[in-house]
Amino acid sequence: KAGVTQTPRYLIKTRGQQVTLSCSPISGHRSVSWYQQTPGQGLQFLFEYFSETQRNKGNFPGRFSGRQFSNSRSEMNVSTLELGDSALYLCASSLGPPGTEAFFGQGTRLTVV
Amino acid sequence: TQLLEQSPQFLSIQEGENLTVYCNSSSVFSSLQWYRQEPGEGPVLLVTVVTGGEVKKLKRLTFQFGDARKDSSLHITAAQTGDTGLYLCAGHFGAGGTSYGKLTFGQGTILTVHP
Repeated sequence: KAGVTQTPRYLIKTRGQQVTLSCSPISGHRSVSWYQQTPGQGLQFLFEYFSETQRNKGNFPGRFSGRQFSNSRSEMNVSTLELGDSALYLCASSLGPPGTEAFFGQGTRLTVV
Repeated sequence: TQLLEQSPQFLSIQEGENLTVYCNSSSVFSSLQWYRQEPGEGPVLLVTVVTGGEVKKLKRLTFQFGDARKDSSLHITAAQTGDTGLYLCAGHFGAGGTSYGKLTFGQGTILTVHP
């Protein structure tokens, strides 16, 4: 069965712009989580959506937002980009109950210049 | 705040050697997962452990979950160059509420296996 698909794979944006990243979870998975990975901070949790509702949120500013559609596909948006937002953004899908296995996509590499 | 300490941070060994990576927390995990990640790619799930004292084997990889569910280890026997990569442990804490979808990751272990 198909894995987690993230688009685009690479993005270059200018400081101050906004960006939207997309994630299609594994078929049948209703939970989508987003993570930011940087060399200095490692993998940090952004937020999680289940059945179109945000169930959990990490410690990131309000510039980071997300949503989930009825087909479980999810998008995350970052507004007013800063240089420090340059990172690998990873999406993970799971069945939903806490503690269930999470499967990651290949990520979107965002570079802010 | 739950923290996950992973050690060592770097490991450089020769092909054929054995190695162990450790993952520790002061809090109890509800479940723990090990991932392997290659540069520019997403983490790939290797194993999930749930029960205290659990041991799982995946070919040359052996995963242990501590009896108290606060620590875990990954042991690789006879390492191969193809084992090179970033190894990450990640834990779920709690059983609902703020734990939904949230994996807490260790800092990772960069393993380099030389031929």
